[in-house]
Amino acid sequence: KNQVEQSPQSLIILEGKNCTLQCNYTVSPFSNLRWYKQDTGRGPVSLTIMTFSENTKSNGRYTATLDADTKQSSLHITASQLSDSASYICVVSGGDTDKLIFGTGTRLQVFP
Amino acid sequence: DGGITQSPKYLFRKEGQNVTLSCEQNLNHDAMYWYRQDPGQGLRLIYYSQIVNDFQKGDIAEGYSVSREKKESFPLTVTSAQKNPTAFYLCATTKTNYGYTFGSGTRLTVV
Repeated sequence: KNQVEQSPQSLIILEGKNCTLQCNYTVSPFSNLRWYKQDTGRGPVSLTIMTFSENTKSNGRYTATLDADTKQSSLHITASQLSDSASYICVVSGGDTDKLIFGTGTRLQVFP
Repeated sequence: DGGITQSPKYLFRKEGQNVTLSCEQNLNHDAMYWYRQDPGQGLRLIYYSQIVNDFQKGDIAEGYSVSREKKESFPLTVTSAQKNPTAFYLCATTKTNYGYTFGSGTRLTVV
C-alpha cells in the first residue's frame, strides 16, 4: 500500500534552535517528493521538490534530503524563528496513477 | 494563494442543505483539484479535472459534485448526501505534474 508516514507528530523547540523532521514512504514507483509548510487555517505552501536523482535541496533555512534507496526524507530547519510555527507536510508523487500521497504532517511550535 | 482564490473562507451548512465552494485561478493551469483535510489525516482527493469539461472522481467523491465549464473555475458542491462535511477544503492547480499551488482554503461547518 502506498503510504507516507511522518515523525514526530508534533514538536516544540525554542527560537534559534535547529530541528529535523522525518518522512518515510512506501510509494512505488516514485516520481518526486515535496515538503510543504501549512500555517493554521491556510493552504500549504511549497518549500522543496526533489526527484529521484536529487539528494538535497535548500530553500533558505530549510534543507530537505532524500534517500531514495531507504525511501526516507528529512527536512532540517536551521536557526528556527517564531514564524516557523506551522504544520510541515511531506507529499510523495507516484504509484500506479502518479498521484499525490500526503503524510499527516508534523506540527512544529517555536517558542521564544 | 498566488493566483488561486477560494471563497468563502468560512461557510456554515444546515442539515440537508447543498453548498458550493468556489475556486478560481488566473495561473492558466490546466489541472485543478479539490482536497479535504481533517485533523490528524493527510489531505484526501475529492475530485480533479485535467481539462475543461472533464473531471474525475478522487478517493472520496461520494456526496460531492463538481463542474469545469471554464479553465479558470472549478466549483465544488457539497450535497446533502455527504454525511460528515465538516472539514477544511483546499483547491489546488498545476500546469504539469510537478508544481502544485494551493488556495487558502474554505472551512465548512455543519450547524
